[in-house]
Amino acid sequence: GNSVTQMEGPVTLSEEAFLTINCTYTATGYPSLFWYVQYPGEGLQLLLKATKADDKGSNKGFEATYRKETTSFHLEKGSVQVSDSAVYFCALSDRTSGSARQLTFGSGTQLTVLP
Amino acid sequence: DVKVTQSSRYLVKRTGEKVFLECVQDMDHENMFWYRQDPGLGLRLIYFSYDVKMKEKGDIPEGYSVSREKKERFSLILESASTNQTSMYLCASSLAAGGRTDTQYFGPGTRLTVL
Repeated sequence: GNSVTQMEGPVTLSEEAFLTINCTYTATGYPSLFWYVQYPGEGLQLLLKATKADDKGSNKGFEATYRKETTSFHLEKGSVQVSDSAVYFCALSDRTSGSARQLTFGSGTQLTVLP
Repeated sequence: DVKVTQSSRYLVKRTGEKVFLECVQDMDHENMFWYRQDPGLGLRLIYFSYDVKMKEKGDIPEGYSVSREKKERFSLILESASTNQTSMYLCASSLAAGGRTDTQYFGPGTRLTVL
């Protein structure tokens, strides 16, 4: 079956530091890959996505590249801000039933950015 | 903007009670999902629905049922609540899968405590 493995947290960084959160996946087909973010007290929001190998998703200074050869989708940001403190989830979409594509999530990585 | 609302942010129930969690989306999405979120486990799919009155089991359906009588509303039912169902419950919706990506939009979550 499908699975997503994320870097263990929590991660604590100083403002303006470089961020990498590792994500690797196992899938039987050709999944789409996502990063979702959950700010304190809120639901999940889509941060970025990629649908095929070598695609790069980007949003709000975050980037991730779909690497089929290493089955990875690592999240990066060059300079984090305090406002980036949140839980980050890597996910893949592959299975389809009816018209619904299901998501498989990683366990989440808590990021805290200190001023 | 897509809006997914959940009936309660916090809920406290007793063991053995019947519990209803309600979710409403306002964007005419075909697909709706219920997840539970637990520390270290990420999000796990309980049930989903790809059309009115249609439902399918996710990865952890035991102890839960669902109802979708109208397109915009998807209810999660705990027939007899137990303490191991204490968790954060997240509802999501998405358009029908017409392409490779099928972004899910999440509600703010309901934190359920079963005593």
